[in-house]
Amino acid sequence: AQTVTQSQPEMSVQEAETVTLSCTYDTSESDYYLFWYKQPPSRQMILVIRQEAYKQQNATENRFSVNFQKAAKSFSLKISDSQLGDAAMYFCAYRSSGGATNKLIFGTGTLLAVQP
Amino acid sequence: GAVVSQHPSWVICKSGTSVKIECRSLDFQATTMFWYRQFPKQSLMLMATSNEGSKATYEQGVEKDKFLINHASLTLSTLTVTSAHPEDSSFYICSARVGVRNTEAFFGQGTRLTVV
Repeated sequence: AQTVTQSQPEMSVQEAETVTLSCTYDTSESDYYLFWYKQPPSRQMILVIRQEAYKQQNATENRFSVNFQKAAKSFSLKISDSQLGDAAMYFCAYRSSGGATNKLIFGTGTLLAVQP
Repeated sequence: GAVVSQHPSWVICKSGTSVKIECRSLDFQATTMFWYRQFPKQSLMLMATSNEGSKATYEQGVEKDKFLINHASLTLSTLTVTSAHPEDSSFYICSARVGVRNTEAFFGQGTRLTVV
């Protein structure tokens, strides 16, 4: 079975600085998807970024980028120029490729605080 | 992105009563919907996978007679908590996947259930 591990329960960053959130996963599959979701205090889950395992290039979305190391099964999220609105719980998630019913497997989350 | 609407946002009910939570995909047809439960400061726990026109697939340990899921149309899935007890108090979130092979899941805003 696949597992997702987030080893940092809480992180803190100064506004305008850069922070990296860690995520590792375990799988025997070669094709899959990885995601980072943000859950602000409103508790609405928001997709931040996604990565297809078959793509070597790291995904980027504006200030958010990932460092995808397939061999090491690592998928970290870098937030550049941190803003107060980035404060939230961040979940790393894994999904097998293929059928629509394949479920998301979430990590335990990292609570990010942004200091003004 | 696609919009998933969940209703109600919060509900208080008395022990022994049943409560229904609706999850609607507003601008797309969702073949598959997922129901999660989230305890404070914890990750999302998948309860069941709901497919339109068929019985839901429940995760191990989730009581199917307690948490009734119906997916009667491509835009609506419902979760009914039957004979609710205080330990059922939690945050419930639904998500829906666009199409069959699309990788992204969109989340509803969640429902906070309090059983008194």
